[in-house]
Amino acid sequence: QKEVEQNSGPLSVPEGAIASLNCTYSDRGSQSFFWYRQYSGKSPELIMFIYSNGDKEDGRFTAQLNKASQYVSLLIRDSQPSDSATYLCAGPGTALIFGKGTTLSVSS
Amino acid sequence: GAGVSQSPSNKVTEKGKDVELRCDPISGHTALYWYRQSLGQGLEFLIYFQGNSAPDKSGLPSDRFSAERTGGSVSTLTIQRTQQEDSAVYLCASILQGTGPSPLHFGNGTRLTVT
Repeated sequence: QKEVEQNSGPLSVPEGAIASLNCTYSDRGSQSFFWYRQYSGKSPELIMFIYSNGDKEDGRFTAQLNKASQYVSLLIRDSQPSDSATYLCAGPGTALIFGKGTTLSVSS
Repeated sequence: GAGVSQSPSNKVTEKGKDVELRCDPISGHTALYWYRQSLGQGLEFLIYFQGNSAPDKSGLPSDRFSAERTGGSVSTLTIQRTQQEDSAVYLCASILQGTGPSPLHFGNGTRLTVT
């Protein structure tokens, strides 16, 4: 059974801080991962994906993938109140498996 | 179309009735997924279509749930003899599969309430 695990939170950070979100997965054959953001009452929207070991940066967001340790993380620099949402990690394969999501709260 | 379209956006039904949920994916997208999201929970995978075939239907909760896709486009998720635990938001997503990682494009979902 392929699984994607996330700490449900909530994770609370002050405005301007770095928020660190983590995800672990069970399938060693996994190749690529996606981070989605979901605002309350809305559908998930893609933030970024990563498929190579190491870091991938896009603006204030950095995704990190460590295949040996089977974890993927998302760092949000200079966190803003508008970043307050649930962040979902999705594993690869034909059936994209989502973690339960981590709720982030950024206080101003 | 411009995006993934789902209908109805809201559906209230009585326990025991059948319901049909429709998903119209982005034109040209080859794969289509159905997920269920209960209140405060994550996305639960239901079924995946590649063209009109469903290589993975392992997430369907019971035999009351079925889905089909016709013409490589529109998909219908049918729930027979609905139960209160079926109440959730049902999300459809489509994807254009290519040589690299492709993101899911989600519809706005159908909120199903079984009374």
